[in-house]
Amino acid sequence: SQKIEQNSEALNIQEGKTATLTCNYTNYSPAYLQWYRQDPGRGPVFLLLIRENEKEKRKERLKVTFDTTLKQSLFHITASQPADSATYLCALEASGNTPLVFGKGTRLSVIA
Amino acid sequence: DAGVIQSPRHEVTEMGQEVTLRCKPISGHDYLFWYRQTMMRGLELLIYFNNNVPIDDSGMPEDRFSAKMPNASFSTLKIQPSEPRDSAVYFCASKRRGDTGELFFGEGSRLTVL
Repeated sequence: SQKIEQNSEALNIQEGKTATLTCNYTNYSPAYLQWYRQDPGRGPVFLLLIRENEKEKRKERLKVTFDTTLKQSLFHITASQPADSATYLCALEASGNTPLVFGKGTRLSVIA
Repeated sequence: DAGVIQSPRHEVTEMGQEVTLRCKPISGHDYLFWYRQTMMRGLELLIYFNNNVPIDDSGMPEDRFSAKMPNASFSTLKIQPSEPRDSAVYFCASKRRGDTGELFFGEGSRLTVL
């Protein structure tokens, strides 16, 4: 069956370090992979999208990689700040007009 | 634009009561999605619409759940009768056709069924 796994429920890191979150999937052939941020009591907010033919995408302190051979995406936040503390969700999309399927998320805590 | 608007933000009800959740998508968006989020199962797709037409409702857990989209600016998700296991946060999201980009989520409706 299809499955999306994010490496851990929770991740604690020290301010200034690079946070790395993992998203693994099985039995999917996604055309796109997206990352969202969710704060407590709020809806998810889009961060980045990466296509299957792209290896890496960057946006400010964020970097996403996508390895379709390993069936894995890595999400990096460099120079992390306490304000980066949130739950981060990865989501797969088979094509442009199919629904996103979400992982359960990783709760990141950046400690000052 | 005001974004996706959901109401109510919080609902506490007793088992057996009818619950109606409402959503106003972003103007011009062709797709509307209803998701449910719980700690155990994460974000699960319940149903989605394209141009007000339901496309896939296979995620709707039971016949107690129904969803409508009478026009491009309004959708409802109804649970009748409600049960304690329906307690969750229900999100509505919308996107424009052809966009490979983001889903825009509302702030969610937190439902507690006692």
